[in-house]
Amino acid sequence: DTGVSQNPRHKITKRGQNVTFRCDPISEHNRLYWYRQTLGQGPEFLTYFQNEAQLEKSRLLSDRFSAERPKGSFSTLEIQRTEQGDSAMYLCASSLDGPGDRGYTFGSGTRLTVV
Amino acid sequence: TQLLEQSPQFLSIQEGENLTVYCNSSSVFSSLQWYRQEPGEGPVLLVTVVTGGEVKKLKRLTFQFGDARKDSSLHITAAQPGDTGLYLCAGASNDYKLSFGAGTTVTVRA
Repeated sequence: DTGVSQNPRHKITKRGQNVTFRCDPISEHNRLYWYRQTLGQGPEFLTYFQNEAQLEKSRLLSDRFSAERPKGSFSTLEIQRTEQGDSAMYLCASSLDGPGDRGYTFGSGTRLTVV
Repeated sequence: TQLLEQSPQFLSIQEGENLTVYCNSSSVFSSLQWYRQEPGEGPVLLVTVVTGGEVKKLKRLTFQFGDARKDSSLHITAAQPGDTGLYLCAGASNDYKLSFGAGTTVTVRA
C-alpha cells in the first residue's frame, strides 16, 4: 500500500485560471476527504465522500470549487477562476470508516500559489 | 475561528527537556486525535483518545483526554530533535468530520 497520493505537489497559477488537483486514496478506503490549510492554521474541512457520493460540502467551498469522485476511487478538486485567497495547501485524506481508532491517512498535499 | 484552541502557539526547548501542549474547547467530542505534521507534508496520526479521563502512552509521548471530553494534553518526556514539528489536535463531532486546532510548533534544539 502506497498511502494517499496527491498530484501535483505544487501548482503556481495566475489569477483567473482554472486548476485541478487529483487524489488517489488507499484502495480499500471508502471515505475520502478534502481539507484546506493556510499558513499558521490547522486544516479546515472542505468536503467528504463516501464511495462516489458527496455527503457534505463546507460553506468554505464557494461555487468556484467542485469536487468529484466518479467511481468511488480517485477524486479531483477543481477551482475555477482562481483568486489570490485560494492560495493554500490542499490536503486529501481517506479512511475505512469514521475517525475512530485509525483516524485519517493524509496525503502530502498540493501547495497552490495564485499569483 | 477554530473550534479547538491550542497552546502555546510556539515552543522551543533544548534536547532532553520535557514539554506539554494543550488543546481546549467548549465543545464535547466523541473522540480526539493528535497529529504531527512536518513542513510540506500532510499530518500523520499519533493517537486517538475516546474515553473521558483516558491516558495513552506512545514511547516518550503521553496523551490525556479530559474527563468531560472537551480538552486534551500531549506531554513529551526528554524531547529529541526528531520530535520537532507541528502538533495538531482534532476533535470528531460526528462520524466523519474532524475539526482541527491551529497547532503548536515545537522546535527541539540539539
